[in-house]
Amino acid sequence: GAVVSQHPSWVICKSGTSVKIECRSLDFQATTMFWYRQFPKQSLMLMATSNEGSKATYEQGVEKDKFLINHASLTLSTLTVTSAHPEDSSFYICSASRTSGDYNEQFFGPGTRLTVL
Amino acid sequence: GQNIDQPTEMTATEGAIVQINCTYQTSGFNGLFWYQQHAGEAPTFLSYNVLDGLEEKGRFSSFLSRSKGYSYLLLKELQMKDSASYLCAVVDSNYQLIWGAGTKLIIKP
Repeated sequence: GAVVSQHPSWVICKSGTSVKIECRSLDFQATTMFWYRQFPKQSLMLMATSNEGSKATYEQGVEKDKFLINHASLTLSTLTVTSAHPEDSSFYICSASRTSGDYNEQFFGPGTRLTVL
Repeated sequence: GQNIDQPTEMTATEGAIVQINCTYQTSGFNGLFWYQQHAGEAPTFLSYNVLDGLEEKGRFSSFLSRSKGYSYLLLKELQMKDSASYLCAVVDSNYQLIWGAGTKLIIKP
């Protein structure tokens, strides 16, 4: 099956610092990558949709200047949380989309747990 | 507005069968996904339905009725490792994924 990796798996940082999270599709080229955030006991919330070589599309309520997304290639997307604050502490999950037959299947990365002190 | 409804929590016995329901009201429909998520981990793809009917995959089956806005995930021969949250997600007319809040399934010996 298709594999998506994320790095780092977990990160602890001080308030005000920036954190970069990488998402890679290891054995396929992803037409689209998605970034999600999940707070404890809640469902996944889509933050942004990213297509290679173009600007990301952000969901309503997600600050694009705070959550910078770069989709440099068909196998790599990065999410940078700028000037992180404790309320940004969450589980960040990326997924990569691949066309399979008549539909686009999503493959999820293992997630990155961010704790901002 | 768009809405996905799933039960919050269900309990079942090891070896038994459990059905997790999902009803949806979305702007358009381009398919429905079921994902499994263990605590602290990312979701894992289970199934995709876009046509009415039952899709069987080993111990797991998924059913869709587009006219009723209804799907269910059927898990047979339950194992302790099936204890997890099960997420229903619908692809709307803009090809956005609309997520349900998930159903926490507790398996008892």
